[in-house]
Amino acid sequence: AQSVSQHNHHVILSEAASLELGCNYSYGGTVNLFWYVQYPGQHLQLLLKYFSGDPLVKGIKGFEAEFIKSKFSFNLRKPSVQWSDTAEYFCAVTTNRDDKIIFGKGTRLHILP
Amino acid sequence: NAGVTQTPKFRVLKTGQSMTLLCAQDMNHEYMYWYRQDPGMGLRLIHYSVGEGTTAKGEVPDGYNVSRLKKQNFLLGLESAAPSQTSVYFCASSHLAGSYNEQFFGPGTRLTVL
Repeated sequence: AQSVSQHNHHVILSEAASLELGCNYSYGGTVNLFWYVQYPGQHLQLLLKYFSGDPLVKGIKGFEAEFIKSKFSFNLRKPSVQWSDTAEYFCAVTTNRDDKIIFGKGTRLHILP
Repeated sequence: NAGVTQTPKFRVLKTGQSMTLLCAQDMNHEYMYWYRQDPGMGLRLIHYSVGEGTTAKGEVPDGYNVSRLKKQNFLLGLESAAPSQTSVYFCASSHLAGSYNEQFFGPGTRLTVL
């Protein structure tokens, strides 16, 4: 069965530090990849998505992610984080096999001011 | 355009009580989903619907029932609530199957079962 792994459960950084959150998926076929963000007390919002084309995807608020097919990875990056980036981040994948989206368990990011 | 709305926002139940959570979307989306979110578990799919009158089981369907009588509404029912169902419940909708369209999420319902 398809699965998504997020290796970092809890990350603490200082403002202006660089960020990289890992995401790996298990599925050998065509995939579509997503990063969602959930700010404290709020619902999930889409940060960015990859369907096809350029494997480097740029999203909102300065985030980007790179799809590396050979590594089954879709890591999220931001060069310089801000306190307002404190949130939980979820990687997700859909495949051409079914209608469902599979979420990772999430990474809780805490930015120190 | 309200997007996806959920009612109620909060609810406390006693074990054995029943309740229905309502999800409504005004985007004319075909697909609707119910998830539960628990600490360290991410989002787990309970049930979903690919169109009016259809429902399907997700990853954790036991103890829940759903109905999609109208395209814009997706109801989640708990017939006999248990403390293990204490969670935050999110509804989502999408225009097409998840492969090609993002899911839009509602604000969530925080349910506590005593």
